[in-house]
Amino acid sequence: EVQVVQSGAEVKKPGESLKLSCKTSGYRFAHYWIGWVRQTPGKGLEWMGIINPEDSNITYSPSFQGQVTISVDRSISTAYLQWSSLKSSDTALYFCARLRTSGWGNWFHPWGQGSLVTVSP
Amino acid sequence: SYELTQPPSVSVSPGQTARIPCSGDGLSKLYAYWYQQRPGQAPVLVIYKDSERPSGIPDRFSGSNSGTTVTLTISGVQAEDEADYYCQSTDSSGVYLTFGGGTKLTVL
Repeated sequence: EVQVVQSGAEVKKPGESLKLSCKTSGYRFAHYWIGWVRQTPGKGLEWMGIINPEDSNITYSPSFQGQVTISVDRSISTAYLQWSSLKSSDTALYFCARLRTSGWGNWFHPWGQGSLVTVSP
Repeated sequence: SYELTQPPSVSVSPGQTARIPCSGDGLSKLYAYWYQQRPGQAPVLVIYKDSERPSGIPDRFSGSNSGTTVTLTISGVQAEDEADYYCQSTDSSGVYLTFGGGTKLTVL
C-alpha cells in the first residue's frame, strides 16, 4: 500500500527557519515525482512545486519560486519543504503528494495528511 | 496563468444528483482531475483523466468533459459526500498544475 506520511504541526516566529518532511513507502520512491500544495482559508489549494527524486530536478510554481526550497533524500524515501526565513503569511496547511503523470496531464495521488504551520510573533 | 472556475457552493438533498462544474479554456485539450476534501482531512482523488474512477471510489462518482467545462456528478448523494470538491488540471506545457477555487457541497 502506498503511504505518504508528513511531519507534525509547527509553531514558529517570523524570521525562523523550518523544514517539513514527507516520508513515503509502498513504492519505488525514485519512480514518481513528489509535489507540495499549500492550503489557506482564503485561497484554497495552491500548487507550490514538484521534484523528481531520480535526479532532484525541480519545477516551482512561479508564485513560490524563491520563497521555498524543495528537496529529497532518496536513502530514506523522504521529500522536504523548507523556508529560511518564515513570514506570518506562510501560516497555512501544507500537503505533500505523489505525482502521477500521463501524456495529457499530471495529478496527485495519494496525499499526505498535511502539516499545519503557524507563524506568529 | 491558467485559471479554473468553480461555483463556491452547491446544495442537494440526500438521494438527489449533485453536479459540480469546472470551467477553463484548456480543458478542451487537457485532462481534468477531481479531489474530495472532507473537513479536517486531506484531499482524496475521486476522478482522474476526466472520467476515470480510482479503485475504492464509489461508482456514484462520475466525471464528464464537454469542451471547456468538466463536470463532477455524484448520483444518489449521501450525507458522507458533504465536502469540498476541487478540480485540477495542467497548463498547455503539461508541467504547471492549477486548482479550481473549490466547491462546498452541502447535503441538506
